[in-house]
Amino acid sequence: DIQMTQSPSTLSASVGDRVTITCRASQSVSTWLAWYQQKPGKAPKLLIYVASTLASGVPSRFSGSGSGTEFTLTISSLQPDDFATYFCQQYSSYRTFGQGTKVEI
Amino acid sequence: EVQLVQSGAEVKKPGESLEIPCKGSGYRFTSYWISWVRQMPGDVLEWMGTIDSSGSYTDYSPSFQGHVTISVDKSISTAYLQWSGLKASDTAMYYCARHPSRSSHLDYWGQGTLVTVSS
Repeated sequence: DIQMTQSPSTLSASVGDRVTITCRASQSVSTWLAWYQQKPGKAPKLLIYVASTLASGVPSRFSGSGSGTEFTLTISSLQPDDFATYFCQQYSSYRTFGQGTKVEI
Repeated sequence: EVQLVQSGAEVKKPGESLEIPCKGSGYRFTSYWISWVRQMPGDVLEWMGTIDSSGSYTDYSPSFQGHVTISVDKSISTAYLQWSGLKASDTAMYYCARHPSRSSHLDYWGQGTLVTVSS
């Protein structure tokens, strides 16, 4: 199985901050990497796929980069609606998710 | 509007059977695959398996193979997740999600079905 490790597990930030979340794969997944946002009591929502392609309707302050085993999700200027938990997911071999990063105030 | 609509919460006893549905609308159902994802308390997401919506092909995570069955009824645009013998450890939220090909991102998700297994 491909293991996905996110860091940090929790991130404290303020509105307007630039936020970066890292996701590492235990082996190369090329660019078969997606990022999701989940708010309490809600289903995950797709933000980015193929490592850097923004999903439809997602604000441009979100961006993704990386390939192989190391990936980042960046929020350029954190907004109140962005406080949530973020998951990475590889789909190179089956699908596995990172453990999540909670972005809190 | 693309929607995946799941059923309400279920409370079952260990050993009981259960089938939960996921109905797609707002898109051509048979052009997409459906995956099922488990989320246990503590937020970890686990991919369980997938089915192509014509019903021809299924693939399961080794962690769930043999414990659940994924099926589809394309005539009513509905996918199913089924257990034949629930365990307390199956207590979790279960999401269905759509994807355009066998190995691709999950672009739309259902709202989830909470399954509680308790004696």
